[in-house]
Amino acid sequence: KNEVEQSPQNLTAQEGEFITINCSYSVGISALHWLQQHPGGGIVSLFMLSSGKKKHGRLIATINIQEKHSSLHITASHPRDSAVYICAAPQGAQKLVFGQGTRLTINP
Amino acid sequence: ETGVTQTPRHLVMGMTNKKSLKCEQHLGHNAMYWYKQSAKKPLELMFVYNFKEQTENNSVPSRFSPECPNSSHLFLHLHTLQPEDSALYLCASSQVLRETQYFGPGTRLLVL
Repeated sequence: KNEVEQSPQNLTAQEGEFITINCSYSVGISALHWLQQHPGGGIVSLFMLSSGKKKHGRLIATINIQEKHSSLHITASHPRDSAVYICAAPQGAQKLVFGQGTRLTINP
Repeated sequence: ETGVTQTPRHLVMGMTNKKSLKCEQHLGHNAMYWYKQSAKKPLELMFVYNFKEQTENNSVPSRFSPECPNSSHLFLHLHTLQPEDSALYLCASSQVLRETQYFGPGTRLLVL
């Protein structure tokens, strides 16, 4: 069992829909990362959060440290949001443990 | 553009070849990382360098040999690879350990 689990693994939605991707982790962490990987491989760091909620444009990330759970929400989804979304938890001082990713497809 | 570049972007090599992957960051960061992403598997950390010193080797086979001559450059030397080493190899950097990492575009490697 991976220490970082994401759900769903695949998600297809229509443009404009509200999207939620979930991440559960079993390691004790101080912060959780959300990353976006576009076709072709490039990865962009979206958020690093240790409590509460962070918002950037149409993206919102929340975390509940007690429940070891985080969610990534996308409001008013758009086809350009189609990507793989990955959560990652630090393990020790320098290692990140990654979830398997959620492949999101937004259809026009 | 994240400020982290990788070359080459694509590489095909035979099992007896020797090649090197290069990563350069223009962000003034002090920590650099090599990751491997195989098909249908999560990203795996391979190596971490902090202020040019290797601080993590995640049980990587010796046919992968990293080199960090300075804080801006990171190499991954490859020799006698196996077909199962075919993957996307990603470099990342961060200001210091545990901070946000910035990723390069990756090198897609195919070992024949």
